[in-house]
Amino acid sequence: EAQVTQNPRYLITVTGKKLTVTCSQNMNHEYMSWYRQDPGLGLRQIYYSMNVEVTDKGDVPEGYKVSRKEKRNFPLILESPSPNQTSLYFCASSLRAADLLNTQYFGPGTRLTVL
Amino acid sequence: RKEVEQDPGPFNVPEGATVAFNCTYSNSASQSFFWYRQDCRKEPKLLMSVYSSGNEDGRFTAQLNRASQYISLLIRDSKLSDSATYLCVVNHGNTGFQKLVFGTGTRLLVSP
Repeated sequence: EAQVTQNPRYLITVTGKKLTVTCSQNMNHEYMSWYRQDPGLGLRQIYYSMNVEVTDKGDVPEGYKVSRKEKRNFPLILESPSPNQTSLYFCASSLRAADLLNTQYFGPGTRLTVL
Repeated sequence: RKEVEQDPGPFNVPEGATVAFNCTYSNSASQSFFWYRQDCRKEPKLLMSVYSSGNEDGRFTAQLNRASQYISLLIRDSKLSDSATYLCVVNHGNTGFQKLVFGTGTRLLVSP
């Protein structure tokens, strides 16, 4: 089944404790992206990747890191989480970065709470 | 001004009603347009792309007005299962690559 998976789905942690949220897609998609969704603000892009070893900042990259060592995986790293990073996080992927009509497929989401 | 603006609702309608949502966008260079549906605390899922000529998929009709920079979604014969948040999504693509900008969503509640 074609899908985007994220782990963990739910995480409660404390300020400053490094964490990684994994994202994997099995559709051989070039483009992958991380978003956060907060009430009243909609989905905002954190980082994106156009292909292996090509990543760039989105609109709200502060406090986050990413890597794209393999085409299928795009982990999101919070080196020192803070309470303002409490949010619902979605990973998404799309077949071709340069095809503006491509659909983006979303993972099921990770609900993160930082105490 | 937000890049993509939607009325947050909620729109409360009875089953069988017709309901319409509008969305405005600020970047005139925007390349492509979509409506996504999001159920509570779930991931957004593509409902339909919006083409310049307008397009229809069953009970759903989407329209694009580039001159006025708005897109619309019409739902006919509403079902209980249509209750969700509808996200207007614009692909700026100024650099030739994807750049999705999301509206905050319009909530629809269909009641028996």
